Amino acid sequence: GAGVSQTPSNKVTEKGKYVELRCDPISGHTALYWYRQSLGQGPEFLIYFQGTGAADDSGLPNDRFFAVRPEGSVSTLKIQRTERGDSAVYLCASSPGALAGGDNEQFFGPGTRLTVL
Amino acid sequence: DAKTTQPPSMDCAEGRAANLPCNHSTISGNEYVYWYRQIHSQGPQYIIHGLKNNETNEMASLIITEDRKSSTLILPHATLRDTAVYYCIVLVYAGAGSYQLTFGKGTKLSVIP
Repeated sequence: GAGVSQTPSNKVTEKGKYVELRCDPISGHTALYWYRQSLGQGPEFLIYFQGTGAADDSGLPNDRFFAVRPEGSVSTLKIQRTERGDSAVYLCASSPGALAGGDNEQFFGPGTRLTVL
Repeated sequence: DAKTTQPPSMDCAEGRAANLPCNHSTISGNEYVYWYRQIHSQGPQYIIHGLKNNETNEMASLIITEDRKSSTLILPHATLRDTAVYYCIVLVYAGAGSYQLTFGKGTKLSVIP
């Protein structure tokens, strides 16, 4: 079946602009995560959705970052007034649900590479 | 805090077993060990996970010590396509149903022809 897809694969924008990054999770997966990966580093958690609600947004760096998942499937990460430091690969992952303990493998998309000039 | 310690890099000859170590001395009794890998320019890929017992699947084997303070990921016959950064992660419940992954720097495995 189809995996997690993310669009666009690459996004180049100018400092101060607004961008939207889209994630299509695996069908039926209720849990959705966004991560950000800077060059040479491991991915860092941004936000977690269970269904339509953002259950944990503790990883969002500031209020310029916002994410939605209105119908519990597709999610959009929105960044306002982009800064050069926002340049990174933004990764989305989905999993079947919040199961206690094990069987919480997350399936990642290929990421969106954001470059802020 | 990643809660794990891994060597920054390792080499392995093609066709040989790759043994990737991980220390997680502060792991709690109900926390699982997960392994992911990331091939260049791709998203991370789930490999295997375990709690206490050794585990094996089509990709790898996971050996967890009896005291659970360390584990080893084994790729039985490494190929060039296994060249990647391998992340050992202790899965921690973050509340509100969230099992966010905390990635460290991982081990860069280079498989040599």
